[in-house]
Amino acid sequence: DVQLLQSGGGLVQSGGSLRLSCAASGFTFSSYAMSWLRQAPGKGPEWVSDIGASGYSKYYADSVRGRFTTSRDNAKNTLYLQMNSLSADDTAVYYCARDVSGIFNGLDVWGQGTTVTVS
Amino acid sequence: QAALTQPPSVSGSPGQSVTVSCTGTSSDVGYFNRVSWYLQAPGTAPKLLIFEVNNRPSGVPDRFSGSKFDNTASLTISGLQAEDEGDYYCSSYTSSSTVIFGGGTKVSVL
Repeated sequence: DVQLLQSGGGLVQSGGSLRLSCAASGFTFSSYAMSWLRQAPGKGPEWVSDIGASGYSKYYADSVRGRFTTSRDNAKNTLYLQMNSLSADDTAVYYCARDVSGIFNGLDVWGQGTTVTVS
Repeated sequence: QAALTQPPSVSGSPGQSVTVSCTGTSSDVGYFNRVSWYLQAPGTAPKLLIFEVNNRPSGVPDRFSGSKFDNTASLTISGLQAEDEGDYYCSSYTSSSTVIFGGGTKVSVL
């Protein structure tokens, strides 16, 4: 089965850091661009970042640029999101997702989500 | 960048057709054919219904269809079913190499 399994969420103090992981299985991870999104309580999804299949191209929302870093290890089939200088506004459920084709064309496989709470 | 504009709610009876609109600008919806639609049930991740304006992933029923005219994209659900209830979100790629989402539309089946 095609699957994205997330880990790394939790409670962190304002100004702190956290790294999220997203382990892919059931498909050729290195052939797909990947995305991070988040959803604050009671709100709609917010796009956070995209990374190309090779890992060289990276894109960020203005709200996280300079604080968050997306990376991937294609040998380990894993996507990462390093989050620094966290604030209460970053509290949300974070999702990783697979780009259906190319990049920015739609997200067809989603992780289960992991909660990040900044106090 | 401002979010895409969706109506807060849409409702219809079983079997009817309903349309959800998604209005952006000439820098996103109007310029790129990279509009997607998602359905989100409570407590779950969004599910992709439509990508690239009018393409359905495998497994999505053909009663879901997408279109676009100028700066407005639309999702039409033909033959509304009870299981179609939920929150629908549109998204679009933008000229800033980012992705923006709509505020969401709650679809109710009467």
